Amino acid sequence: GAVVSQHPSRVICKSGTSVKIECRSLDFQATTMFWYRQFPKKSLMLMATSNEGSKATYEQGVEKDKFLINHASLTLSTLTVTSAHPEDSSFYICSVLAPTQETQYFGPGTRLLVL
Amino acid sequence: DAKTTQPNSMESNEEEPVHLPCNHSTISGTDYIHWYRQLPSQGPEYVIHGLTSNVNNRMASLAIAEDRKSSTLILHRATLRDAAVYYCILVPGGSEKLVFGKGTKLTVNP
Repeated sequence: GAVVSQHPSRVICKSGTSVKIECRSLDFQATTMFWYRQFPKKSLMLMATSNEGSKATYEQGVEKDKFLINHASLTLSTLTVTSAHPEDSSFYICSVLAPTQETQYFGPGTRLLVL
Repeated sequence: DAKTTQPNSMESNEEEPVHLPCNHSTISGTDYIHWYRQLPSQGPEYVIHGLTSNVNNRMASLAIAEDRKSSTLILHRATLRDAAVYYCILVPGGSEKLVFGKGTKLTVNP
């Protein structure tokens, strides 16, 4: 499958600070990427769909002003968690929509811990 | 979104076949059946998908019931590396979104 990278893999930050997570598609250009969040022992929850050159589409209940998504190029999408709080601690995973638009390739995830 | 029902957990022995069931009685005619798996502390990985006919690839086989109300993911020879949570997901034709359920946690015994 295609290679998708995320950086950083782990991050610890203080409450009130902002954290940026990068997602890169290394094998092909991706107009559509997705951001998910996964709490311990729970399933993945889609947060938003990131479209290159346009605004992200957020799922119901996800605060767009708190989770800023930028998809400025065909290989890079970033998720910024603004004013992070301990309840934002989670495993954040991005994915890239395959050129066939039938499947998604996932990144390795970023584990965020907010103290 | 159409729902799927999977057992919470299953166990298998190494080098034996594994049949992971998925029920989707409310599936619509344009829903594709996708399977992804997630190894511990990693992002999910695409396994296989199909619409009506059985599908095979290097990772697994997908057997789809004639009425499409259920399907089975078949791992022909389980290895320890196949221990993961397996998700069966219905994706409406033309949709790009994946809605993950709880999946089946597969344990492979040596």
